Amino acid sequence: DIVMTQSHKFMSTSVGDRVSITCKASQDVSTAVAWYQQKPGQSPKLLIYWASTRHTGVPDRFTGSGSGTDYTLTISSVQAEDLALYYCQQHYSTPRTFGGGTKLEIK
Amino acid sequence: QVQLQQPGAELVKPGASVKLSCKASGYTFTSYWMHWVKLRPGQGFEWIGEINPSNGGTNYNEKFKRKATLTVDKSSSTAYMQLSSLTSEDSAVYYCTIDYGSSPFAYWGQGTLVTVSA
Repeated sequence: DIVMTQSHKFMSTSVGDRVSITCKASQDVSTAVAWYQQKPGQSPKLLIYWASTRHTGVPDRFTGSGSGTDYTLTISSVQAEDLALYYCQQHYSTPRTFGGGTKLEIK
Repeated sequence: QVQLQQPGAELVKPGASVKLSCKASGYTFTSYWMHWVKLRPGQGFEWIGEINPSNGGTNYNEKFKRKATLTVDKSSSTAYMQLSSLTSEDSAVYYCTIDYGSSPFAYWGQGTLVTVSA
């Protein structure tokens, strides 16, 4: 199985800051990486897929990048409503696997 | 709009089985594979498996092959997942979700919290 590693379990930032959340795959996943946002008490929401394609309705402050084994989700100007858990996932092969999540905390 | 409706919670006894449902609406049910995902606090997400509602074809995560059984009822646009021989390790939130076109897991149900307790 492909292991997805998010090295930061927590990240603290301020409103208006730029923040980048990273994810590393255990093998090349050919940009088949998605990012999800999960707020407390809610289901996950797809933000980005194929590493850099923004899902319908996702604000353009969310940007995905990366290739090979290394991927990044960047929020260009953090808003208070971006307080959430962020997960990466590879959709390159089954079983689909997720990173452990990064909790974004707003100072 | 696409909706996946799941019951909020199930309480089941150890050793028993439970059948979770996921009723789809707002799209052609047979067009997209339905996936099931497990979320345990501190354990992260685990992909359980997928089913093709058109023909019932399935793919399972090896870890869940003896635990989960996926089925569909096309007449009611409902997907089901049966979990057997439940233990405390099966206490979790279970989500149904679909790949919508090229968008992986684009839509999710609200999740069913399964609690295994005597």
